[in-house]
Amino acid sequence: DTAVSQTPKYLVTQMGNDKSIKCEQNLGHDTMYWYKQDSKKFLKIMFSYNNKELIINETVPNRFSPKSPDKAHLNLHINSLELGDSAVYFCASRPGTGSYNEQFFGPGTRLTVL
Amino acid sequence: AQSVSQHNHHVILSEAASLELGCNYSYGGTVNLFWYVQYPGQHLQLLLKYFSGDPLVKGIKGFEAEFIKSKFSFNLRKPSVQWSDTAEYFCAVNRGWGKLQFGAGTQVVVTP
Repeated sequence: DTAVSQTPKYLVTQMGNDKSIKCEQNLGHDTMYWYKQDSKKFLKIMFSYNNKELIINETVPNRFSPKSPDKAHLNLHINSLELGDSAVYFCASRPGTGSYNEQFFGPGTRLTVL
Repeated sequence: AQSVSQHNHHVILSEAASLELGCNYSYGGTVNLFWYVQYPGQHLQLLLKYFSGDPLVKGIKGFEAEFIKSKFSFNLRKPSVQWSDTAEYFCAVNRGWGKLQFGAGTQVVVTP
């Protein structure tokens, strides 16, 4: 059973296009996250939702819009893709908001913008 | 600025050698600290975490880490590495609401 799954695994697209990445978790967690890992493997948080409510919104271009239809899903839509958006995007989830709770990561979506 | 620093970007060592990866953070107050590992082509997995109590924490696969509050450090250790420990290792601090601030990562290569 996959705990945190993401689709697609790979995404290759042209500059200017709009694309979405989907994330689903079957762990019953309340909180979900999106992270971006750049070419140097540096990980940075982008967004977080708790029970469908946005709780973290880091300094991310407004071309990126997260959507949480329910607490098991957190999708990421990206408008007008740019070369610099090329990265691996990881979804994560964790139970509640307690500081000690670990996050469980998905397998990642490698986005390549040409 | 608040940050997480990992001292080594690349470490190469032989099987059976001991490993220690440094991590320093600059946050004040109570911190929750994590070490994650990313094997080639895979997602991040938790190795261990510290939030209170015994500053020496043990994780999976023989890893341990020591929290030294006075030094703002949370170094990861393994007494004898294996080839399968080849991976990227990330230290992270919880900034609240699960907002993990990651270090830049350390690429560890274990040679047979």
